[in-house]
Amino acid sequence: EVQLVESGGGLVQPGGSLRLSCAASGFTFSNYWMTWVRQAPGKGLEWVAGIKPDGSEKDYVDSVKGRFTISRDNAKNSLYLQMNSLRDEDTAVYYCASSRATLGYWGQGILVTVSS
Amino acid sequence: DIQMTQSPSSLSASVEDRVTITCQASQDISNCLNWYQQKPGKAPKLLIYDASNLQTGVPSRFSGSGSGTDFTFTISSLQPEDIATYYCQQCDNLPFTFGPGTRVDIK
Repeated sequence: EVQLVESGGGLVQPGGSLRLSCAASGFTFSNYWMTWVRQAPGKGLEWVAGIKPDGSEKDYVDSVKGRFTISRDNAKNSLYLQMNSLRDEDTAVYYCASSRATLGYWGQGILVTVSS
Repeated sequence: DIQMTQSPSSLSASVEDRVTITCQASQDISNCLNWYQQKPGKAPKLLIYDASNLQTGVPSRFSGSGSGTDFTFTISSLQPEDIATYYCQQCDNLPFTFGPGTRVDIK
């Protein structure tokens, strides 16, 4: 059974940093693009970042470029999102998902709240 | 960025009704269009990929069609468990943008 489990969320002040993790199991993690998607409270879905299976290519939505970094450790079957210079508008549930665009498997999501 | 629009933004229908949602892309995306279902408090679930392909395990009452800029998602016979918000998403160009969602509930 495929499982994606996010961790590392919480409350952070504006300008602060947070690192999200996503532990994957039940599939060959190292063969898949992986993606972060977020959803602000009461709002729709926003594709945030994606990373190639070997980590050699990374894509970001413009609103997080230069502030967020996606990475992975295939030996640990883990995906990460380092979030720096956080803003109020980054408050959202963050989901990790498998594949680049057609997102077949999703984690349960983790809440990140940016507030003073 | 490619802008995705959906209509209606919400709808209310009776059990066993046929429900149709439309999605429009701001430019040609060929057939690179996915549909997701999201129930309250849950992660989204992929239902349809590449405009018309049913994801494994998804009931056949769900279907999709279209190409280019105009797409349609249909529930042939609405069931109580279909209460959810439905999102389209283009998979043609970065960033892979989602539509604003259509909330479906039971009349």
